[in-house]
Amino acid sequence: NAGVMQNPRHLVRRRGQEARLRCSPMKGHSHVYWYRQLPEEGLKFMVYLQKENIIDESGMPKERFSAEFPKEGPSILRIQQVVRGDSAAYFCASSPPSGTGELFFGEGSRLTVL
Amino acid sequence: DQQVKQNSPSLSVQEGRISILNCDYTNSMFDYFLWYKKYPAEGPTFLISISSIKDKNEDGRFTVFLNKSAKHLSLHIVPSQPGDSAVYFCAASGAGGTSYGKLTFGQGTILTVHP
Repeated sequence: NAGVMQNPRHLVRRRGQEARLRCSPMKGHSHVYWYRQLPEEGLKFMVYLQKENIIDESGMPKERFSAEFPKEGPSILRIQQVVRGDSAAYFCASSPPSGTGELFFGEGSRLTVL
Repeated sequence: DQQVKQNSPSLSVQEGRISILNCDYTNSMFDYFLWYKKYPAEGPTFLISISSIKDKNEDGRFTVFLNKSAKHLSLHIVPSQPGDSAVYFCAASGAGGTSYGKLTFGQGTILTVHP
């Protein structure tokens, strides 16, 4: 049973470009979460999605960031017009429908903005 | 506003001894607490959790203690092994429903276990 798959593992963008990060949850998991870890900090919640629905986006920056989890395919975290402060590790996590609170994390996507 | 705090950035322990990692929280709505372990360039992996209705949960070498009145939890690793060397994150969540997977993490503690 494959774990949470994230790609790309590393992404380099210049300021003003767009970054797209993809996440495929564990098989049987229908809840997806995105977290961001800035250097020397803990993980910060960004958004919680179920298929075709954004449940909680209270941690998402108001501008340039968006997330989706379509009926088919992976969840996508999209960052438009990236700035240097967006450089971070972005982790996706999933949980089963009957969540116990335990999240299963992917290996992360490391975004570097030049 | 740091609602979950791990005040020790690092901890160094000899192999075979006990490792004690501490975590404090400020939000009294938190009712579920977890510890995650993270190796460099990998995602966090779940270690152990505790509900607020308990004060202790044990799983092999790992025990988590919760003191609700002090808003404090700790992770004990006995005996410590070199493979335990990693960053340990404390995390908390509110009551079930949509807040279940919405975790608030501490800054992490780097544990180094020396052979």
